[in-house]
Amino acid sequence: SYVLTQPPSVSVAPGKTARITCGGNNIGSKSVHWYQQKPGQAPVLVIYYDSDRPSGIPERFSGSNSGNTATLTISRVEAGDEADYYCQVWDSSSDLVFGGGTKLTVL
Amino acid sequence: QVQLVQSGAEVKKPGASVKVSCKASGYTFTSYGISWVRQAPGQGLEWMGWISAYNGNTNYAQKLQGRVTMTTDTSTSTAYMELRSLRSDDTAVYYCARGVLKDWFDPWGQGTLVTVSS
Repeated sequence: SYVLTQPPSVSVAPGKTARITCGGNNIGSKSVHWYQQKPGQAPVLVIYYDSDRPSGIPERFSGSNSGNTATLTISRVEAGDEADYYCQVWDSSSDLVFGGGTKLTVL
Repeated sequence: QVQLVQSGAEVKKPGASVKVSCKASGYTFTSYGISWVRQAPGQGLEWMGWISAYNGNTNYAQKLQGRVTMTTDTSTSTAYMELRSLRSDDTAVYYCARGVLKDWFDPWGQGTLVTVSS
């Protein structure tokens, strides 16, 4: 089965750049989507098709995908960005797969 | 605006069944599908399956095959997810989300807590 590996936690100071990785075998050949989930709330789509932003998502959120790693980058991090972030792909052998999630802490 | 509103919390005994509803508004219901995703307490997201609101085609996660059934009612723009033979490890928040199979989901419903306990 296809596995997506995310770091359990990432910490960043306000105003700095956070990078959250999502590792998978040849993930660069797949479309990666990212979700933000704040405590007690439903997930929200923040990046789709590797690097596209839905309307209403700040330009500070960006994504990239190459080789075995996809990355969600949050520039000029704010306190309100503190949340869990999940990557997601579709794999023909495993159907739809989520990464284990990364807790972003704003110091 | 596009919105998915789910039914309320449920408490079930082991072995019972639960049926969660998800009412869509703000878009043409039959133009998209609905995925169901669950999240056990303190855990990550788990995809359960997807149903086309256009023709009712389904794609279920292998782990849940035989225990889950997803349906839609196009007359009321509502999707349903039924899970049978409930176990304690089915305790979770269940989400519906609009989407196309193999692609992203947006938006998500507010979630429905299902508690399985004797």
